[in-house]
Amino acid sequence: GAGVSQSPRYKVAKRGQDVALRCDPISGHVSLFWYQQALGQGPEFLTYFQNEAQLDKSGLPSDRFFAERPEGSVSTLKIQRTQQEDSAVYLCASSFGVRGNTEAFFGQGTRLTVV
Amino acid sequence: AQTVTQSQPEMSVQEAETVTLSCTYDTSENNYYLFWYKQPPSRQMILVIRQEAYKQQNATENRFSVNFQKAAKSFSLKISDSQLGDTAMYFCASPTGANSKLTFGKGITLSVRP
Repeated sequence: GAGVSQSPRYKVAKRGQDVALRCDPISGHVSLFWYQQALGQGPEFLTYFQNEAQLDKSGLPSDRFFAERPEGSVSTLKIQRTQQEDSAVYLCASSFGVRGNTEAFFGQGTRLTVV
Repeated sequence: AQTVTQSQPEMSVQEAETVTLSCTYDTSENNYYLFWYKQPPSRQMILVIRQEAYKQQNATENRFSVNFQKAAKSFSLKISDSQLGDTAMYFCASPTGANSKLTFGKGITLSVRP
């Protein structure tokens, strides 16, 4: 596709419900990142994939958060037993390379509200 | 460790005027990159400009330029001839580690007044 696509754009979940957020990166992009952005704050790193390998999951806040990218393209971020503090915008980004100067392209994010 | 600090929560500028957004950072790396991202209400982060630390010349992209002061660890963004479409949140960011994950500042809300 032309850009990074995320779905759904908005998700309302009842506390305790499981949710799955999808990211379609730009075709051919090796690197894929997930970030969490609280209201009025900057994005914070959650996890990183290089192709299908999850090389860094140091930012995942708890074992309720799980991400996968089984075929090295589409990625899913799953949150189990959602809690109110999980309410945030979840941003996905992809880049062609792995070096620091490689531009990361972002999707429009999924706004998750846990009620 | 990598930290990025934006201490101004919001700024306002008249259309066609110039505005400067501040950012300071701290890093233990010898070579690194710095970015400014724009996030409009649509939420999509858009890269505005990037600077390589080993390059002494300040980066420029049309109306956007940076003032990179390596010794002071300062990386400010200057927007010239401000336009209404520049209204957005602006984030200073730097990639860190082998994965080049981005560390962002808290952001600044810029409003351009007609």
